[in-house]
Amino acid sequence: ETGVTQTPRHLVMGMTNKKSLKCEQHLGHNAMYWYKQSAKKPLELMFVYNFKEQTENNSVPSRFSPECPNSSHLFLHLHTLQPEDSALYLCASSRGQETQYFGPGTRLLVL
Amino acid sequence: SQQGEEDPQALSIQEGENATMNCSYKTSINNLQWYRQNSGRGLVHLILIRSNEREKHSGRLRVTLDTSKKSSSLLITASRAADTASYFCATEVSGGSNYKLTFGKGTLLTVNP
Repeated sequence: ETGVTQTPRHLVMGMTNKKSLKCEQHLGHNAMYWYKQSAKKPLELMFVYNFKEQTENNSVPSRFSPECPNSSHLFLHLHTLQPEDSALYLCASSRGQETQYFGPGTRLLVL
Repeated sequence: SQQGEEDPQALSIQEGENATMNCSYKTSINNLQWYRQNSGRGLVHLILIRSNEREKHSGRLRVTLDTSKKSSSLLITASRAADTASYFCATEVSGGSNYKLTFGKGTLLTVNP
């Protein structure tokens, strides 16, 4: 266990559904991240939050909407996704700019 | 090519052998990190080496960094079947966005018992 939890672990949704992914860290870290991992592609950074403020949006489509109510919780709201959005979504946290601690991921399938 | 690229893409060895994976990058970095990922799981941090360091050890892991060649290597000695996983290098680019790591595609290591 890394101290970063993600729910749900698996999610199947239709293109018209709205769902949310949740991430929680119990490490007292100030920064939290969302990554997308697709087959045969490098891990893609989506968003970075530092002390609840978004500091990075890596040109992510607006159908992905992040929310960071406090330094311990991070959400990714999903709306009208496409089949190509199917991937493993990983959350991570860090204290400062170095080592990142990852959650187990949410395996998302969009039908 | 991207900032971090691992080589080889896949490596298969017998238990007890050493495994060496390489990472090349393009721009100046503050640090380079190696992570491991078991199939379908999250990444686990293995080791971080700063740009002013040349070599670091952690248990059976040895990492080297050559900033003149913009390359790093990860050596796993006396491999075990449990070392089977994907290994990624990640770089923090000098002068880049704060809190941003750039990952490579990874090396899939298979250790056969």
